[in-house]
Amino acid sequence: AQKVTQAQTEISVVEKEDVTLDCVYETRDTTYYLFWYKQPPSGELVFLIRRNSFDEQNEISGRYSWNFQKSTSSFNFTITASQVVDSAVYFCALNVYNTDKLIFGTGTRLQVFP
Amino acid sequence: EAGVTQFPSHSVIEKGQTVTLRCDPISGHDNLYWYRRVMGKEIKFLLHFVKESKQDESGMPNNRFLAERTGGTYSTLKVQPAELEDSGVYFCASSPTGYGGADTQYFGPGTRLTVL
Repeated sequence: AQKVTQAQTEISVVEKEDVTLDCVYETRDTTYYLFWYKQPPSGELVFLIRRNSFDEQNEISGRYSWNFQKSTSSFNFTITASQVVDSAVYFCALNVYNTDKLIFGTGTRLQVFP
Repeated sequence: EAGVTQFPSHSVIEKGQTVTLRCDPISGHDNLYWYRRVMGKEIKFLLHFVKESKQDESGMPNNRFLAERTGGTYSTLKVQPAELEDSGVYFCASSPTGYGGADTQYFGPGTRLTVL
């Protein structure tokens, strides 16, 4: 069975702090994709990143970085120097190859205070 | 390019009534998905269309839910009759080809359904 766990329900930080959102996944398949989505207060789910299971290179995009480790089945997301605009609910998701459904975690609510 | 749009943004109905949600995917996207998030829980897959055909409806909770995608463009999700446990946010997503994760699914803003 496939499963995604986001153990952190809510995180609060002060602006300019670094914050890491954890994501642990379970699958027996060798080919799969991992995603992060952001849900700002406006409600829509905004795509942030997609990684496939064969690419363990870490990714950096501006203040955002992702650490994919197959050995621990984790795909963690770090925001450096957080800003108030980063306040949102962040979802990690798994897609197993040859299926089209995304399996989501329960989300982590991030609040960044000025 | 317009994103995925959903209508209405919010619907409040009484138990036993009928509600129809609409989703317009990104133009040219053959694949359309419906998901639901019940308060505080994970977002769960409901079903997947490829053009006008249902590819996978394994997540549909019961036969009170009916999804259609006539002509392979917009989709509707009807709940009839609505029950209290149907309350939640219904998301629609679309992707170009849908080949098992090779595509990214782009989501709409969701419809918040409240059943009283």
